[in-house]
Amino acid sequence: GAVVSQHPSRVICKSGTSVKIECRSLDFQATTMFWYRQFPKQSLMLMATSNEGSKATYEQGVEKDKFLINHASLTLSTLTVTSAHPEDSSFYICSATYSPTSTDTQYFGPGTRLTVL
Amino acid sequence: AQKVTQAQTEISVVEKEDVTLDCVYETRDTTYYLFWYKQPPSGELVFLIRRNSFDEQNEISGRYSWNFQKSTSSFNFTITASQVVDSAVYFCALSEEEDGGSQGNLIFGKGTKLSVKP
Repeated sequence: GAVVSQHPSRVICKSGTSVKIECRSLDFQATTMFWYRQFPKQSLMLMATSNEGSKATYEQGVEKDKFLINHASLTLSTLTVTSAHPEDSSFYICSATYSPTSTDTQYFGPGTRLTVL
Repeated sequence: AQKVTQAQTEISVVEKEDVTLDCVYETRDTTYYLFWYKQPPSGELVFLIRRNSFDEQNEISGRYSWNFQKSTSSFNFTITASQVVDSAVYFCALSEEEDGGSQGNLIFGKGTKLSVKP
């Protein structure tokens, strides 16, 4: 149980284009989803937290207009990198929990490697 | 402020050796949770364990064991008789419980890269 998928696993795009990454909880309803970014050989940095049906909460320093997050259903959250630039190239990982009122375990997706040319 | 320190950046061992990965945390909360995750070369984070602050019992799961010591704010992870498949980056993480019982964010350490050589 508690499987989280991400699509696509890899994406290469040209500078200036937008890229959408999907995060799905396959066998549970995710009340909260998280988006992380990981630079090579570095730790994970939380970008934003999203609860189904409400606006995402962004961490300090993360541009809301650049990284659009939508959590339209209990099983799907999307991260759209708008007008991508080479510095946005990174490994993006989502996670999900199914308990909004306790510190429950986050289950992670397999990640999406974004390369912006 | 919350902080997780994994002082060991890289560790290299030979198969069948035991290895301990250190994790030291900082928090002002009395209720918090500690985690270990494994990230193999494929990139996917694999959940290994969650421990709450009120449970200091050590835990063993197969070749894995965890030593939680509140007195030293440490939550160390030991792999016994390491295998090549254990090669990965291991992250320790901390989560506090926020006011109202809502979930706090995971704060990750920088990770320890473990290489197990045959």
